Amino acid sequence: EAGVAQSPRYKIIEKRQSVAFWCNPISGHATLYWYQQILGQGPKLLIQFQNNGVVDDSQLPKDRFSAERLKGVDSTLKIQPAKLEDSAVYLCASSSHPEVSDYNEQFFGPGTRLTVL
Amino acid sequence: GESVGLHLPTLSVQEGDNSIINCAYSNSASDYFIWYKQESGKGPQFIIDIRSNMDKRQGQRVTVLLNKTVKHLSLQIAATQPGDSAVYFCAENNYGQNFVFGPGTRLSVLP
Repeated sequence: EAGVAQSPRYKIIEKRQSVAFWCNPISGHATLYWYQQILGQGPKLLIQFQNNGVVDDSQLPKDRFSAERLKGVDSTLKIQPAKLEDSAVYLCASSSHPEVSDYNEQFFGPGTRLTVL
Repeated sequence: GESVGLHLPTLSVQEGDNSIINCAYSNSASDYFIWYKQESGKGPQFIIDIRSNMDKRQGQRVTVLLNKTVKHLSLQIAATQPGDSAVYFCAENNYGQNFVFGPGTRLSVLP
């Protein structure tokens, strides 16, 4: 079974520029998550999708971050404009439908390392 | 690959010894916990989980202990191997809400 795919793996931009990350979850997984992992910290949830709907985006800085999952499969996360403090690894994870398990194991992609100069 | 964390607490153990990684969780209402392993350049990988109605669970070479009284979780790795070198995170969940990750511990296995 193919894992969660993310691209690009690395991105370097200057502050105030825009950037987009792409995620393709495991086939059949209804739930998709975007996490931000700042160096030296654990992942922090930014947004959770159930199919193409947003379940939780309470920690997403909506003035500059946006995400979509239009067809309920792959997803993009965008930052516009980027700030220095956005430098982090952006992880995508997916899990199966909640009815399959009470607590769904999340499968993580390799992440995209963003450096904002 | 990139380093996950340069300033994390580090546990150094000799190859073949047992490792114990500790985690203090924050929410006394959390009812489900997971330990993840994150190698450099990779996303977190599930190791073992435990529900709050248990205080111990064993897997292959790993054991998780839960002490709800003091909100403490530990991961024991038996006969630590070089491939165990990574950053380890605990994550807690409160009745199906989103997981909250701890800060992580770097395990370094010495030859």
